[in-house]
Amino acid sequence: AQKVTQAQTEISVVEKEDVTLDCVYETRDTTYYLFWYKQPPSGELVFLIRRNSFDEQNEISGRYSWNFQKSTSSFNFTITASQVVDSAVYFCALSQGGSGNTGKLIFGQGTTLQVKP
Amino acid sequence: DVKVTQSSRYLVKRTGEKVFLECVQDMDHENMFWYRQDPGLGLRLIYFSYDVKMKEKGDIPEGYSVSREKKERFSLILESASTNQTSMYLCASSLQGSEQYFGPGTRLTVT
Repeated sequence: AQKVTQAQTEISVVEKEDVTLDCVYETRDTTYYLFWYKQPPSGELVFLIRRNSFDEQNEISGRYSWNFQKSTSSFNFTITASQVVDSAVYFCALSQGGSGNTGKLIFGQGTTLQVKP
Repeated sequence: DVKVTQSSRYLVKRTGEKVFLECVQDMDHENMFWYRQDPGLGLRLIYFSYDVKMKEKGDIPEGYSVSREKKERFSLILESASTNQTSMYLCASSLQGSEQYFGPGTRLTVT
């Protein structure tokens, strides 16, 4: 069975602090995709990144970086020098890859990040 | 830019009413999805569709049905709304094997 666990329910930091959001996944598939989404207070989920299971290279996009480690089944997300606008709920998600890919996403429970000025 | 639109941001209905939630995407995506989001339960998949007139049950299809007569439009139907269907409903679309793009959501209240 596939499962995504985001153990941190809520995190509160002060602006300019670095913060890491944890994501641990379970799957028996050899080909799969991992995602991060951001849900600001407006409610719309915003796609941040997709990573396939064969690409373990870390990714950096501005203040955002992602660390994918198959050995620990983790796909963690770090925000460097956090800003108030980063306050949102962040979801990690998993989907099956390969020919069996229906596009269905398995979401974690989400981590609410509050960045205080 | 991918655009997914939902017919209403806020909706208030009475118990027993038939409710239609509409979702339209403009990027020719094959796949479309309906989720509901509730505090403490995250996002749960209700139904999805990977082609016109095709539909698949998600994790919580009971009390819902869907319709996909055109590729760009995916409707969620609550045949007889109940108070436990008060929730945020999110629609999404995607190309096959790719990331999903979400609409702004419809906050439905059933009284």
